[in-house]
Amino acid sequence: SYELTQPPSVSVSPGQTARIPCSADALPNQYVYWYQQKSGQAPVLVIFKDSERPSGIPERFSGSTSGTTVTLTISGVQAEDEAVYYCQSADISATVTFGGGTKLTVL
Amino acid sequence: QVTLRESGPALVKPTQTLTLTCTFSGFSLTTSGMSVSWIRQSPGKAPEWLALVDWDDNKYYSPSLRTRLTISKDTSKNQVVLTMTNMDPVDTATYYCVRQSSETYSAFDLWGQGTMVTVSS
Repeated sequence: SYELTQPPSVSVSPGQTARIPCSADALPNQYVYWYQQKSGQAPVLVIFKDSERPSGIPERFSGSTSGTTVTLTISGVQAEDEAVYYCQSADISATVTFGGGTKLTVL
Repeated sequence: QVTLRESGPALVKPTQTLTLTCTFSGFSLTTSGMSVSWIRQSPGKAPEWLALVDWDDNKYYSPSLRTRLTISKDTSKNQVVLTMTNMDPVDTATYYCVRQSSETYSAFDLWGQGTMVTVSS
C-alpha cells in the first residue's frame, strides 16, 4: 500500500492563491483526485484525472503534478472556499487511499 | 438528476452485523463504467474507502476490512447493500454511498448525504 501526505492546514487571505500539496511515497501511476468538504457536508469532487475540473467547479480550482507531488491550486481564494481538502488515488488493484486532509482557512 | 441515499440503523451494538442500503436514481449500475462504493468517515478523520461493486458485478474490498465486508447490488431495485460483521465502537462513523463513473475516470463524483452509525452497548 502507499500513503498520501498533506499538510494539516493552509491559511491565505481572500484574493490570494492557495496551494495544497499532496505527496506520495510512490504514486501508483494512477490518477489523483481532489475533494472539498465543508463543515457538516459530504465531500464534493473538485478535480479528477490529476487536473480536470468537473462541470460546475469554478475555474479558480486547478490541479498539477510534479514527480510524486500533486498540488491543488485555488487562485483568487474566496471565503466560500474555506473547507477541508482531500487528495485521493487508487492502485492497480482498485484499493483506494485518501490523504489526511488539509484545512484551508481564509483569513 | 443523480441522487444516492443511504439507509440503515443509527445504532448497533458491539459484535452485531451492520447492514446498509444505498438507493440511487439517475443512473444505472448496468451501464459500462459505472460503480458504487461505500466510504466511511469518523469524526475529524479522513474518508476511508470500504468496498466497491461495478457494472460487471466485480467486487473490491479494503484489504484491512476484507474479512468483515460484503457488498452486493440489486439492479432491478437500483440498490447496493453493504454488510459489515462484528461491529466495534471504532466503527462509529458516517457511512457514505458514492458513485464512480468512467466519465470522471473513476472519481467519486457523486456522494450521498451519509448516514451516521454509532456502535455502542
